[in-house]
Amino acid sequence: LAKTTQPISMDSYEGQEVNITCSHNNIATNDYITWYQQFPSQGPRFIIQGYKTKVTNEVASLFIPADRKSSTLSLPRVSLSDTAVYYCLVGDIDSGGYQKVTFGIGTKLQVIP
Amino acid sequence: DAGVTQSPTHLIKTRGQQVTLRCSPKSGHDTVSWYQQALGQGPQFIFQYYEEEERQRGNFPDRFSGHQFPNYSSELNVNALLLGDSALYLCASSFGTFRGNEQFFGPGTRLTVL
Repeated sequence: LAKTTQPISMDSYEGQEVNITCSHNNIATNDYITWYQQFPSQGPRFIIQGYKTKVTNEVASLFIPADRKSSTLSLPRVSLSDTAVYYCLVGDIDSGGYQKVTFGIGTKLQVIP
Repeated sequence: DAGVTQSPTHLIKTRGQQVTLRCSPKSGHDTVSWYQQALGQGPQFIFQYYEEEERQRGNFPDRFSGHQFPNYSSELNVNALLLGDSALYLCASSFGTFRGNEQFFGPGTRLTVL
């Protein structure tokens, strides 16, 4: 399983752009990179997924360098409601084609007024 | 679309008892995975069901078992409960062998073992 490393916590002021970097040095060729958001007492929610270069959706952007050994989730102009735990995951597809998702401890983002 | 639903929301049991948690996947999804999330930790994969069979299993003892029904809904059973089984149990659904990790999670069942 590809292991991920990300900061345990981050603080940011409202309106700022937040970048959370995740390291995944042993990512496999076929692995995708996915980010989830989780609020207290709720299930994780999919934010964005990518394989290489840059992916952008209405919520966030994901930057992946050419070697794919790291990735950066970018949240533009955060608000208080973005306070949550953010998980970086690397896709794990076994020989049967089925998936296991391995969550780390995540990054606790605190947005400050 | 109701998304992934789980029942019950909360549950209190005593050590040694057995518990059954239920999950209905998002419409159109046929694969259900179960996770255990202890306080302050990330979700830990328990097992995954597809076509009514357990396909993958995480590092959990045999006290944890499951079932998937023809309508794709699923149950998680835990026998001989321990205090350490207290956690948020999450169900996630996806469509078959979708390449990548996009799973849709339910709100979870909070299990407290006394």
